[in-house]
Amino acid sequence: AQSVTQLDSHVSVSEGTPVLLRCNYSSSYSPSLFWYVQHPNKGLQLLLKYTSAATLVKGINGFEAEFKKSETSFHLTKPSAHMSDAAEYFCVVMAGFQKLVFGTGTRLLVSP
Amino acid sequence: NAGVTQTPKFQVLKTGQSMTLQCAQDMNHEYMSWYRQDPGMGLRLIHYSVGAGITDQGEVPNGYNVSRSTTEDFPLRLLSAAPSQTSVYFCASKNTGNSPLHFGNGTRLTVT
Repeated sequence: AQSVTQLDSHVSVSEGTPVLLRCNYSSSYSPSLFWYVQHPNKGLQLLLKYTSAATLVKGINGFEAEFKKSETSFHLTKPSAHMSDAAEYFCVVMAGFQKLVFGTGTRLLVSP
Repeated sequence: NAGVTQTPKFQVLKTGQSMTLQCAQDMNHEYMSWYRQDPGMGLRLIHYSVGAGITDQGEVPNGYNVSRSTTEDFPLRLLSAAPSQTSVYFCASKNTGNSPLHFGNGTRLTVT
């Protein structure tokens, strides 16, 4: 069965420093993977998606993620955090026909 | 362009009451789904539909019913509300294939 594991429930960074949010996936075939962001009291917004094209995927707001099959990872990165990046981030794998499985989320805290 | 519209935004129910959460999308998406979001558990799939007249159960379907009489609408019915159904509910839709989900802004439900 397909699944995702987000390795950190909380990540704290200072403004201007790099962001790394970790995600490992389990899939019996080549997966489709997504990262979503949720700001407080809001719905979820797509950051980026991987669907077996380029392994380095660029998303909105300066985020990117690299698909590494050998490590079964799809970590999300950003070179320099901004205060507005504080939110919850979800890694998602497509599990079979049209069904998406969500990780438990990583809350990113950004301090001035 | 409205996207996915959920109503109401907030609802308080007493145990045993029934209600329907409404979801409508104007993107002609075949796939629609309902998730519930609880702290530390990410989003869990309740029910989903791959087209009008077709519905199926997700990970946590008990206590909920759905129907899909049109492409646009996918209401979620709580038959007899329980405190365990206190949660934030999200409706989402997508095109077929590896396309991403589009989310509504959520309904915050409290059952007392």
